[in-house]
Formats: sequence, structure tokens, C-alpha cells
Amino acid sequence: EPEVTQTPSHQVTQMGQEVILRCVPISNHLYFYWYRQILGQKVEFLVSFYNNEISEKSEIFDDQFSVERPDGSNFTLKIRSTKLEDSAMYFCASRGLTGGTYEQYFGPGTRLTVT
Amino acid sequence: QQPVQSPQAVILREGEDAVINCSSSKALYSVHWYRQKHGEAPVFLMILLKGGEQKGHEKISASFNEKKQQSSLYLTASQLSYSGTYFCGTPLGSGNTPLVFGKGTRLSVIA
Repeated sequence: EPEVTQTPSHQVTQMGQEVILRCVPISNHLYFYWYRQILGQKVEFLVSFYNNEISEKSEIFDDQFSVERPDGSNFTLKIRSTKLEDSAMYFCASRGLTGGTYEQYFGPGTRLTVT
Repeated sequence: QQPVQSPQAVILREGEDAVINCSSSKALYSVHWYRQKHGEAPVFLMILLKGGEQKGHEKISASFNEKKQQSSLYLTASQLSYSGTYFCGTPLGSGNTPLVFGKGTRLSVIA
């Protein structure tokens, strides 16, 4: 069964450093999302991406964040200068274009720890 | 704008039933239900697209009442494997939009 994959599973970085989180969405999906979940809290939407551009973003997704689809398979989230409050689990999700349903499938997540 | 879930937490013995509710202050196009186990990604359970429609996944079913802007998830004859946090998600808008999730309901099933 196809699945969303993410790397690394855990990233530890120092405050102010840049991090890149990587995702490989399900191959025939066209909509991609990044969500984050601070420990013990709900899943929060960050950004959605379609047709090589951002389609929606939340207020969390400020100038420190960027997304890219550098090739036909990877989807990346970059945080330019990490802050302590960026520590969270980051989930990538993808959704297919065809069909009458709108399921989003989540990857296993990257746990980001900023020290 | 986020959906409101109730209860916040529930403890069940194996074989007992539970209902988790999800309501919204705005019109809903669909409701998505996910289960998340500790340290893992949310796993898609089901999506409700039409008003009053019920769907099922094993012994888990759900209903969606568009008029009342709410959905309920029914867990029947609970098993230990049902333990986790259940989230409902509703689209920000119509169509191909991201999901806004509720705060979740923590379900613990004990032997």
C-alpha cells in the first residue's frame, strides 16, 4: 500500500539554525500539506501546496518557513532560523486528485527539537 | 473556527461502547475522522460527505448531520487497539482545502 514517507524521523538543532524536513508524498497525489503538532496538543495546519505553488497557509507559516518541491517526488519544509517554540512534530500529508473522496494521508512525522 | 470535540477523554473497559462528538459553528462540507496513537501519525478512519450519512469501519461508525453542523463517532464493543486520541477535522473551506482539527478525544480502553 502506498504511503507518505518523511525524513529524518528526529532532528535536533540549535536555535537560529536552518532545518529542512523532507517528505515523499504518495506518487499519484497532487495536493501536499504540512501540519505540526506541539506535544500534547492538536494537529495544526501550516501550508498547502498544489501545482508547484502555495495554495493556502496559516498564520503560523511566516517568513521563516518555506516549502519547495525540488523534483518530482520530494516535498520539503524549510525553517530558516529555528526558535525554541518551533519544537514540535511535523507531519506531511498528501491527497489525491481523482475520486470523490478527500482523504489526506499523513506521513510518520519528523520530531524537531530546538535547543 | 476549529471544531469542538467532546468528551475530552474517556476510559472504557473492553467491550463497552463510546460516542465521540464533533461540532462546528460554521457550515460543514465534510467531516474527517482520524485516530492517533502515542508518538505516531494520525491514521485516517473515515470521511463523512453527506448529511445524515453513516459510514463504518469495522466496529467504528460515524454519522454526519449537516443541519446541526455536527458529527458523531461510534465505537462499538471496544477493543484494546482502539486506544488513542481521536481527532475530527473539517475543511477550512470547500473543495480541496486543508483540515482544521479539533483538540482531540483521548480514549483509553482497559482490560
